[in-house]
Amino acid sequence: EAGVAQSPRYKIIEKRQSVAFWCNPISGHATLYWYQQILGQGPKLLIQFQNNGVVDDSQLPKDRFSAERLKGVDSTLKIQPAKLEDSAVYLCASSPNPTATNEKLFFGSGTQLSVL
Amino acid sequence: QKEVEQNSGPLSVPEGAIASLNCTYSDRVSQSFFWYRQYSGKSPELIMSIYSNGDKEDGRFTAQLNKASQYVSLLIRDSQPSDSATYLCAVRLGNTPLVFGKGTRLSVIA
Repeated sequence: EAGVAQSPRYKIIEKRQSVAFWCNPISGHATLYWYQQILGQGPKLLIQFQNNGVVDDSQLPKDRFSAERLKGVDSTLKIQPAKLEDSAVYLCASSPNPTATNEKLFFGSGTQLSVL
Repeated sequence: QKEVEQNSGPLSVPEGAIASLNCTYSDRVSQSFFWYRQYSGKSPELIMSIYSNGDKEDGRFTAQLNKASQYVSLLIRDSQPSDSATYLCAVRLGNTPLVFGKGTRLSVIA
């Protein structure tokens, strides 16, 4: 079974530039999450999709971050313009059963973003 | 806003000893509790989940939950150098997204 695919693996940009990350979840997984993990911190939820609808984006800084999952499969997270504090690892995760309290999240390898 | 608190460590234990990792959470109605392991530069992977008060054992790992005290812990018996990683505690209410703690860095000394 293929895992959660993310690209790019690393990205270095200057502040005020824009950047986009891509995620392809495990086939058949309805729920997709984007988490931000700053060095030394735990993952912080940015947005949750169920199929192609947004379930929770309460912690997404909507003035600069946007995300979409148009066909309910792969997803793109964009930052425009980037700030120094956006330097972090962006983790995509998926799960098969959005209503199960014991759902296991499957994480991708993440995209490490450095904003200079 | 749910909060999950962990001691960031590092927690150093000798090989073969028991490592004890602790986590407290603020939302009294949280229902599901998880421990994820994250090696340096890697993504988190689930190692244990627990939903009821008491202990749950899986191999060398034991999760302990005390909802009255809002406390969940992870014990690792016979610790190995390969257990050296950051351990993330995560909690969930119903089918809301997981809320993670900052993680505890564990170092097992050979």
